[in-house]
Amino acid sequence: DVKVTQSSRYLVKRTGEKVFLECVQDMDHENMFWYRQDPGLGLRLIYFSYDVKMKEKGDIPEGYSVSREKKERFSLILESASTNQTSMYLCASSLINPVGSPYEQYFGPGTRLTVT
Amino acid sequence: DQQVKQNSPSLSVQEGRISILNCDYTNSMFDYFLWYKKYPAEGPTFLISISSIKDKNEDGRFTVFLNKSAKHLSLHIVPSQPGDSAVYFCAASSAGNQFYFGTGTSLTVIP
Repeated sequence: DVKVTQSSRYLVKRTGEKVFLECVQDMDHENMFWYRQDPGLGLRLIYFSYDVKMKEKGDIPEGYSVSREKKERFSLILESASTNQTSMYLCASSLINPVGSPYEQYFGPGTRLTVT
Repeated sequence: DQQVKQNSPSLSVQEGRISILNCDYTNSMFDYFLWYKKYPAEGPTFLISISSIKDKNEDGRFTVFLNKSAKHLSLHIVPSQPGDSAVYFCAASSAGNQFYFGTGTSLTVIP
């Protein structure tokens, strides 16, 4: 079974702090993703990565950066946390499929981040 | 702009009856669709998928229907069970590895 783990379930940070959210997957997946989930807005893609050291912006990358130094680990960084970044953050991974239908994504349990 | 929409934020159904969850999309290039189920305090889990070359895919109690001309898909759960109570997200992709998710529908199955 694929396992995607996230470093924290709950996190409280102050405005202006630098925040690191870590995600690790154990199934050798090429793709990794960071989403945020907000009421009424569903899941919105922040960044994704299809290989080590590679990254692509999603729909809402502003205020975030990412790092992928190892295949199994994908980090989301909030350079200077703001209150509008209070949200549920979900990490996901999937196999890469260069042709044909994409593979489904496997999600971690999420990190509930509160910025005060 | 939301490319995948779920216009019903919530749905209540009696146990044993059919649950129908709907999803609309705007991008005609989408060719692969999935449904995910999410319990509180857990990440979404994959439920069922359908490719645009099909109009129906069935897996046990779950059936997904795709109407490409209407850019509409639906998830049918028959019979509904209390354990099906969760938030359901539809997602769409256009032959890439990125999915676009809807806003979710919260299903409550009443015993």
